Amino acid sequence: EVQLVESGGGLVQPGGSLRLSCAASGFTFSSHWMHWVRQAPGKGLVWVSHISTDGGSTSYADSVKGRFTISRDNAKNTLYLQMNSLRAEDTAVYYCARDNWGLIPWGQGTLVTVSS
Amino acid sequence: SYELTQPPSVSVSPGQTARITCSGDALPKKYAYWYQQKSGQAPVLVIYEDSKRPSGIPERFSGSSSGTMATLTISGAQVEDEADYYCYSKDSSGNRWVFGGGTKLTVL
Repeated sequence: EVQLVESGGGLVQPGGSLRLSCAASGFTFSSHWMHWVRQAPGKGLVWVSHISTDGGSTSYADSVKGRFTISRDNAKNTLYLQMNSLRAEDTAVYYCARDNWGLIPWGQGTLVTVSS
Repeated sequence: SYELTQPPSVSVSPGQTARITCSGDALPKKYAYWYQQKSGQAPVLVIYEDSKRPSGIPERFSGSSSGTMATLTISGAQVEDEADYYCYSKDSSGNRWVFGGGTKLTVL
């Protein structure tokens, strides 16, 4: 079964940092681009970032560029999102998703709350 | 920055056809994708590359795209189809992705 499991969310103060992880199983992780998508409470989906199969190509939404860094470890079948200089508006559920002619599947999400 | 525009809400009776639109300037050259998100759940892909249906998605879900508008059609909508629906596509540079604002479908 193809599965993605996010972890690393929690409560962090404004200006702080957090690293999210996404553990993949059930498919050849190294063969797929991967994405992070977030959803603020009661709001819509927002694309955050994606990374190529070997990590050599990345892209970010303007709202996180320069603060967030996406990376992957194909040996560990794990995707990461390093989030620095966090702001209240970064509060959201963060989902990882596999790119397979569309984002399929998605993980269950991990909640990040930025608050003092 | 690039935007995809969807109506905030669509309402139909069970058995009727629901159509949800998504407009964006790059859609003539970029594929549209559609995701269904039920309350408290992660999104699910229902249409990819404008009109293709992933395995396991009911045949009543279909997609089309013409010019700057993509459309998700649910033929014979059922109560279980009540959800938020999001379109998704690349911007004109092809290097960033964007979601539409989402459409809440009510079936009652």
